[in-house]
Amino acid sequence: DAGITQSPRHKVTETGTPVTLRCHQTENHRYMYWYRQDPGHGLRLIHYSYGVKDTDKGEVSDGYSVSRSKTEDFLLTLESATSSQTSVYFCAIRGPLAGNEQFFGPGTRLTVL
Amino acid sequence: EDQVTQSPEALRLQEGESSSLNCSYTVSGLRGLFWYRQDPGKGPEFLFTLYSAGEEKEKERLKATLTKKESFLHITAPKPEDSATYLCAGLTQGGSEKLVFGKGTKLTVNP
Repeated sequence: DAGITQSPRHKVTETGTPVTLRCHQTENHRYMYWYRQDPGHGLRLIHYSYGVKDTDKGEVSDGYSVSRSKTEDFLLTLESATSSQTSVYFCAIRGPLAGNEQFFGPGTRLTVL
Repeated sequence: EDQVTQSPEALRLQEGESSSLNCSYTVSGLRGLFWYRQDPGKGPEFLFTLYSAGEEKEKERLKATLTKKESFLHITAPKPEDSATYLCAGLTQGGSEKLVFGKGTKLTVNP
């Protein structure tokens, strides 16, 4: 257990509404990541953070923004949700081992109607 | 473009029937090859990291190997509880520490 929680675990929302997903970690890891997982695709990186207020874009960042004001929290915001953002979202942290292993949270299933 | 391809997409085995899953990669300056297991409705669970060709790692009935172009996950005498989707990912070169994931192999082990 890497001490990662995600909230909410499930959410249904409507097109055009803003949505914020939260990732919380308890072990002071520097690196945190947001991925989405869709059928027919592998896990795809949305954004990542390498420290408080330090973030960068991943492969599929359009339509998403992130914030990290505290080490333990990494927020993913969909400013105006679209049906194409219906997905399962996973947060990950880079663990304490020397080999850059990433450890994943339980996921948030988001449905945009 | 960095790419990871897994085969087969799905594999059905009988309990005790050994087999292998394949992960081929074209990741420039690969810095590590990772295997994960994912159960339905859950996040991926880390299994192994391999760093150099010829390296092998084992955990219970699983053994991961790495060559210069691909990695194999060998499953010896599988049990129904080994049923899951197995994901492979390559760590790209550079300071961003990005993982590029394959689409996974869904393994079903029948009793």
